[in-house]
Amino acid sequence: GQQLNQSPQSMFIQEGEDVSMNCTSSSIFNTWLWYKQDPGEGPVLLIALYKAGELTSNGRLTAQFGITRKDSFLNISASIPSDVGIYFCAGRAGNTPLVFGKGTRLSVIA
Amino acid sequence: DAGVTQSPTHLIKTRGQHVTLRCSPISGHKSVSWYQQVLGQGPQFIFQYYEKEERGRGNFPDRFSARQFPNYSSELNVNALLLGDSALYLCASSYTGTGDEQYFGPGTRLTVT
Repeated sequence: GQQLNQSPQSMFIQEGEDVSMNCTSSSIFNTWLWYKQDPGEGPVLLIALYKAGELTSNGRLTAQFGITRKDSFLNISASIPSDVGIYFCAGRAGNTPLVFGKGTRLSVIA
Repeated sequence: DAGVTQSPTHLIKTRGQHVTLRCSPISGHKSVSWYQQVLGQGPQFIFQYYEKEERGRGNFPDRFSARQFPNYSSELNVNALLLGDSALYLCASSYTGTGDEQYFGPGTRLTVT
């Protein structure tokens, strides 16, 4: 089945720093979604991408749908303590079910 | 507007027992998907329902079943519980379920002892 490789697995950054994480697929996707999950809660949708090359922002977050359609990137600028959590990428091809990565655990040091 | 709601929040069951988890989608959403999330992993797809019809099924045994009601709420049933079924069970709703965004509920934490 389809696999998503998400990296890095975890990151420790200073408050104010920018963050980059990415996700790659073994097959072509036509939808990429990025979620954030806090402990004990469900994932919250951050950004949805539907077109190769698409660049979409949501406040300090920016995500891109890779040109090859096999990857996606999420950047967080000027990180703050409330950015702490686990970030998941998810993708799908056509009407197939969403496939999730294993997540990037972000820790922010004040 | 109310988001996706799930009940119960937490549940403790014994091996071999049966469990029913419930989900109410966002108002206006017609599709519900169920996911299992074990510690340290991303959510894994179990079922999708749209307009009371099963649209997709993940790689889970027949002990797992689900249904969707006319009001678009849904139940996930798991029979003959195993220790490995312990996980966070997430419900997600979307308007059509055909490639659009999915919004998750808070999940039901199931512990099997």
